[in-house]
Amino acid sequence: DAGVTQSPTHLIKTRGQQVTLRCSPKSGHDTVSWYQQALGQGPQFIFQYYEEEERQRGNFPDRFSGHQFPNYSSELNVNALLLGDSALYLCASTLWTDYYEQYFGPGTRLTVT
Amino acid sequence: GNSVTQMEGPVTLSEEAFLTINCTYTATGYPSLFWYVQYPGEGLQLLLKATKADDKGSNKGFEATYRKETTSFHLEKGSVQVSDSAVYFCALRKVIQGAQKLVFGQGTRLTINP
Repeated sequence: DAGVTQSPTHLIKTRGQQVTLRCSPKSGHDTVSWYQQALGQGPQFIFQYYEEEERQRGNFPDRFSGHQFPNYSSELNVNALLLGDSALYLCASTLWTDYYEQYFGPGTRLTVT
Repeated sequence: GNSVTQMEGPVTLSEEAFLTINCTYTATGYPSLFWYVQYPGEGLQLLLKATKADDKGSNKGFEATYRKETTSFHLEKGSVQVSDSAVYFCALRKVIQGAQKLVFGQGTRLTINP
């Protein structure tokens, strides 16, 4: 049973560029959340997707956007990258009806230079 | 608002020592509480959880009790091993209109020396 997978593992971008990160949820899960984890900090909630709609959003600017596909996989897009966007981006999946556990992927390490 | 505060690290212990990592929270109502662990180069893994006051979560020798009166959820283990070296995160779950999000503390890095 495959867990949550994310791609790519690492990437390096330049300020002002755009980036797309991808996530496949654990088998059977229909809800995907994205978190940003800066170095030495706890993860911060970006947004959650269910039924291809953004259901909840954290305190992040509109430069951060997402999408969920019919197969429940998801993308996180960040436009006009800033140095401060350098972080580990974590994807988590769960069942919409399951309030108790989110399964996390290994993350994508984004470095903005 | 909702927030979680953990004891600052790093914490360094010898093998077989007793471990406590403090966690307190601020929230409206009574949120579910969690401890997650992050091993080097990996994502977060759920270690244990508690969903209501006085519940005790336990897993792999780790325990934490949901204390409403002190708004705390301290993590304990009686005898740590080198393999317990990792970063530990305390978190609460907030639900808004069916959507859930986790609010994390800043993490505590634990190193166990043989």
